[in-house]
Amino acid sequence: LAKTTQPISMDSYEGQEVNITCSHNNIATNDYITWYQQFPSQGPRFIIQGYKTKVTNEVASLFIPADRKSSTLSLPRVSLSDTAVYYCLVGGGGRDDKIIFGKGTRLHILP
Amino acid sequence: ETGVTQSPTHLIKTRGQQVTLRCSSQSGHNTVSWYQQALGQGPQFIFQYYREEENGRGNFPPRFSGLQFPNYSSELNVNALELDDSALYLCASSLGRGVNEQFFGPGTRLTVL
Repeated sequence: LAKTTQPISMDSYEGQEVNITCSHNNIATNDYITWYQQFPSQGPRFIIQGYKTKVTNEVASLFIPADRKSSTLSLPRVSLSDTAVYYCLVGGGGRDDKIIFGKGTRLHILP
Repeated sequence: ETGVTQSPTHLIKTRGQQVTLRCSSQSGHNTVSWYQQALGQGPQFIFQYYREEENGRGNFPPRFSGLQFPNYSSELNVNALELDDSALYLCASSLGRGVNEQFFGPGTRLTVL
């Protein structure tokens, strides 16, 4: 299972767009890229998942370049409530697959 | 539709004891995954069960074991507890195995003294 590397922490301001990049140089052909958000004392919450190019839902966008060795989670117009830890996961949907969360990125939104 | 629930919320045990944690999956989900999360760290994958069979295991010793029942509820059993087992234990249910969208429960906080 591909290992991921993310910035340990980031700061931003309310109303701005935030981009968090994840590196996964050893991504396999059948691996998907998934992002989760976690607030203190809660379980992680699914944000978005993609395989290639761009995926967008009501809360975020996920950009994946052609070589798939990295991905960028984009959060538009963040608010204070977006302060959380964000995890990038890389893995497939098959049998005997391990799911590795990594250390995550602590995002702090300032007023 | 009810979400993922876990019991108990908190638990205190002493070293060497055994513990069973329980998880009730979201309705219709046939896969459950268990994670250990130490303070300030990301969740560490323990194992995943798909339709009552183990579908993958992380780097945890055999004293960590699990069960998934026909109604897709699940148990995590830990034998011979060690101090380092103190953590938040999370379960997550999903439809299908692997990295499909997982729905997490609130966790069980285990303290080993």
